[in-house]
Amino acid sequence: GAVVSQHPSWVICKSGTSVKIECRSLDFQATTMFWYRQFPKQSLMLMATSNEGSKATYEQGVEKDKFLINHASLTLSTLTVTSAHPEDSSFYICSARDWTSGSETGELFFGEGSRLTVL
Amino acid sequence: AQSVTQPDIHITVSEGASLELRCNYSYGATPYLFWYVQSPGQGLQLLLKYFSGDTLVQGIKGFEAEFKRSQSSFNLRKPSVHWSDAAEYFCAVGEVTTDSWGKLQFGAGTQVVVTP
Repeated sequence: GAVVSQHPSWVICKSGTSVKIECRSLDFQATTMFWYRQFPKQSLMLMATSNEGSKATYEQGVEKDKFLINHASLTLSTLTVTSAHPEDSSFYICSARDWTSGSETGELFFGEGSRLTVL
Repeated sequence: AQSVTQPDIHITVSEGASLELRCNYSYGATPYLFWYVQSPGQGLQLLLKYFSGDTLVQGIKGFEAEFKRSQSSFNLRKPSVHWSDAAEYFCAVGEVTTDSWGKLQFGAGTQVVVTP
């Protein structure tokens, strides 16, 4: 079946640095991808909708300049956490929509997640 | 605004016993409904989903869920729990529009502990 892959799975960085997380659809093209964050023992919160070839749509309360999203190709969306601080430490998960599955509604696939720890 | 409520934060069940996880939603129409399972430190695995049609949905790993419109509920059930079912379970609601289908709102999750 279709797979969505995230890289890296784990990343540790120093406070003030920027970190890039990749989300790839491995065997389908995804015009739309979604980014979520999950704090320990909490639920997933939608951060933004990543649109290929256009600007991302951010959810209310999510800092656009802090979380830069680039969807430069039909198989890759990147989330860059700029000037990361310890409070940005979280589990980031992406998902992508596959319309080629033959289903009228398409299928939604989640990546394995990327754990960011900011020291 | 749509919302998803999972009333039970934590459930402990004996291996072999039945399991039911509750999920209630608030939405203007019938949304897309999902149940996902997450093991510690892992991503999400789809157990089952409801878009339309038969309100009793069969999923993987022996799970099923029933959509009840009158109660705005989508409860997850398993007749006999296995130790490997210990995990966090999330109910989610998706908007029923072509453009935004894929944006999911998740419930708070229910932690399931399975005892011998």
